[in-house]
Amino acid sequence: DIQMTQSPSSVSASVGDRVTITCRASQGINSWLAWYQQKPGKAPKVLIYEASSLQSGVPSRFSGSGSGTDFALTISSLQPEDFATYYCQQLDIFPYTFGQGTKLEIK
Amino acid sequence: EVQLVESGGGLVQPGRSLRLSCAASGFTFDDYAVHWVRQAPGKGLEWVSGISWDSGSIGYADSVKGRFTISRNSAKNSLYLQMNSLRAEDTALYYCARDIRGSGVGLEYWGQGTLVTVSS
Repeated sequence: DIQMTQSPSSVSASVGDRVTITCRASQGINSWLAWYQQKPGKAPKVLIYEASSLQSGVPSRFSGSGSGTDFALTISSLQPEDFATYYCQQLDIFPYTFGQGTKLEIK
Repeated sequence: EVQLVESGGGLVQPGRSLRLSCAASGFTFDDYAVHWVRQAPGKGLEWVSGISWDSGSIGYADSVKGRFTISRNSAKNSLYLQMNSLRAEDTALYYCARDIRGSGVGLEYWGQGTLVTVSS
C-alpha cells in the first residue's frame, strides 16, 4: 500500500499568514493527489484534485503543487474560516490512502 | 442539488453483519465513481472502499478486505457496503462520497455519515 505522510501534524498560525502543508507518498503517484479540509462535526470538503487543480468554488488563496512523491498545499493568506484539519489523499492505486491529517490552529 | 444520504448504521455485536446504504440524487449516478470513507471518533479519515462508474474497478482498504463488499445499483441510484465479521475497530462514522469523475480523482460530495458501533 502507498503510505501518505503529512507534515507538520499541527501548526499554529495567524490570520494573514502564509501556510504550507506537505504530503509525501511512499512511492510515485503521478499527480493523483487530492487535498481536503475538514471542520469539527462536518464532512470533509475537497479543495484541490490532480495535485494542483482548484475545485470549483474554493477560494484562490488555496493552491496545490507537486507530482511524483512530494506535494504541497499552500494557503496564501489565512482567513478565520481556514482553521481546520487538512488531509491529503492519493488516488493513483487502490487502496486510496489518506494522510494522517494536519490541524491548523489559531496562534 | 447533489445529495447523498447514508443509512443502516447502528449498534452491532462483534462478529455480526451490517449493510450500509447510500441513496444518491441530483446527478446521473451511472457517471461517477463512489466511495465509502470512515472516521473513528477523534481520529483521521480512512478510505474504506471505492467502485468506479461501471463497477469495473473496485478497491478495498487492507483492514476490510475479505470482510466488506461494495456494490452499486443503478436502478435504485444507490451504493451499498456489506460489512461482515465486524470488529470493535470498525466502529466509526461511515461516509458515502461521490467522486469528481468516473474513476478516482477526488471526493467531491459527501453525505453526513451513518454511525456504526461494534460492541458487545
